[in-house]
Amino acid sequence: DAGVIQSPRHEVTEMGQEVTLRCKPISGHNSLFWYRQTMMRGLELLIYFNNNVPIDDSGMPEDRFSAKMPNASFSTLKIQPSEPRDSAVYFCASSLDRARTGELFFGEGSRLTVL
Amino acid sequence: GQNIDQPTEMTATEGAIVQINCTYQTSGFNGLFWYQQHAGEAPTFLSYNVLDGLEEKGRFSSFLSRSKGYSYLLLKELQMKDSASYLCAPGNFNKFYFGSGTKLNVKP
Repeated sequence: DAGVIQSPRHEVTEMGQEVTLRCKPISGHNSLFWYRQTMMRGLELLIYFNNNVPIDDSGMPEDRFSAKMPNASFSTLKIQPSEPRDSAVYFCASSLDRARTGELFFGEGSRLTVL
Repeated sequence: GQNIDQPTEMTATEGAIVQINCTYQTSGFNGLFWYQQHAGEAPTFLSYNVLDGLEEKGRFSSFLSRSKGYSYLLLKELQMKDSASYLCAPGNFNKFYFGSGTKLNVKP
C-alpha cells in the first residue's frame, strides 16, 4: 500500500522565492495535517484539514504561509515569500478519524533550505 | 494551549530497560500518542492511550494517568536499533501536539 507521498523531498531556494510543498494522503483517509520540524521547536502542527476543509490553522506562523486541499487526494503548503527562518523539515500526515486510534501516518518529509 | 515536557536525552545499555517520561498540560484531551523517529526519517506510530493504565505491545509499553497529566513509555530488552527520538503527543480529537522528543542512545 502506498503511504503518504510528499514532494519535493529536498528543496534549496533563495530568500524571497515562492515555495510549494505537495502531499498526497493515504487513499481513504479523511484528515490531513501539515507539521514543521526544527531542532529548536520540535514538531509543530501548522494546519489540519478534515474532509478537505481547513479546521484549524492557528499554527500557521504568518500570512506568508498558506495551505489548500482542493480534493481528498492532494494538498499544498505554500510559502511566499520564503525566509531563511522557514528552513525546516515539513511533514504531511494523514489519518482516518473513524479508526480506533486515529493514528497519524507521516510522509517522508520535505527538507526546505532557504538561503 | 499546550505544555509538554520530556527529558531531552537519555542513554541506556543494550538489553536493559528504559522509561521515558512525559508530562503535559493541554487544552482538551482525549488521548496520547507515542511515536518513534529515527534520525532523518518520519515519525512512526508506537502506541495510543485513551484510558488510564498500561498498554503493552511487545517490548514496548505505554502508561497513562489522565488525572496527573503523565505518561511514560517503557522499552524492554533494548536493542541498538532502538536508538531514536521518542515523541510524546497528547491531543484533543484530531489535534495532537508533539513534545520536542527524547533522544535515546543505546550503547553496547
